[in-house]
Amino acid sequence: SYVLTQQPSVSVAPGKTARITCGGNNIGSKSVHWYQNKSGQAPVVVIYFDSDRPSGIPERFSGSNSANTATLTISRVEVGDEADYYCQLWDSSSDHRVFGGGTKLTVL
Amino acid sequence: QVQLVESGGGVVQPGRSLRLSCAASGFIFRNNDVDWVRQAPGKGLEWVALISYDGSSTYYADSVKGRFTISRDNSKNKLFLQMNSLRTEDTAIYYCATSRDRGPFDSWGHGILVTVSS
Repeated sequence: SYVLTQQPSVSVAPGKTARITCGGNNIGSKSVHWYQNKSGQAPVVVIYFDSDRPSGIPERFSGSNSANTATLTISRVEVGDEADYYCQLWDSSSDHRVFGGGTKLTVL
Repeated sequence: QVQLVESGGGVVQPGRSLRLSCAASGFIFRNNDVDWVRQAPGKGLEWVALISYDGSSTYYADSVKGRFTISRDNSKNKLFLQMNSLRTEDTAIYYCATSRDRGPFDSWGHGILVTVSS
């Protein structure tokens, strides 16, 4: 089955840029979605279809997807961005949804 | 506004069964695919099952296939998850979540805790 690999943790100072990656075999040919999951809350989509941003999500959040890596970029990081972030896609070869293992973003 | 409310969770012994429900309101339920996603304590998100908007197609994670059954009643705007032969590793918060055309999850419930323990 298809596997998505994320770094377990990323640390960044306020105001800096955080880059969270999601690796998968030829992931650039698939559509990737990103979710923010704060403790005790339901996940929220922050980027969908690789790079689209839902209304209400700050422009500081952006996404890209190419070759074997999809990336979520958070610019001018704020303390309120601290959360777990998950990438996710639909694998049509197995008819399964797949989540990455999640990345814990810590704002120092 | 869109609301998804899960119910039916609780504590159950290994090998027993439990049925979760998800009540939907604030949108046209029959137009959306719906999934169950779970999160074990201290762990990441894990997809469980998907049912298409009209109930004609269902898909399951390998970890639950043959034990769990997803279903829906569009006349009552409800989603269900029948969980049989429960195992301790099924202990998790279970979320229902909506999507369209296998796209992103656009709405989530608040989640319901299922604990499988003797």
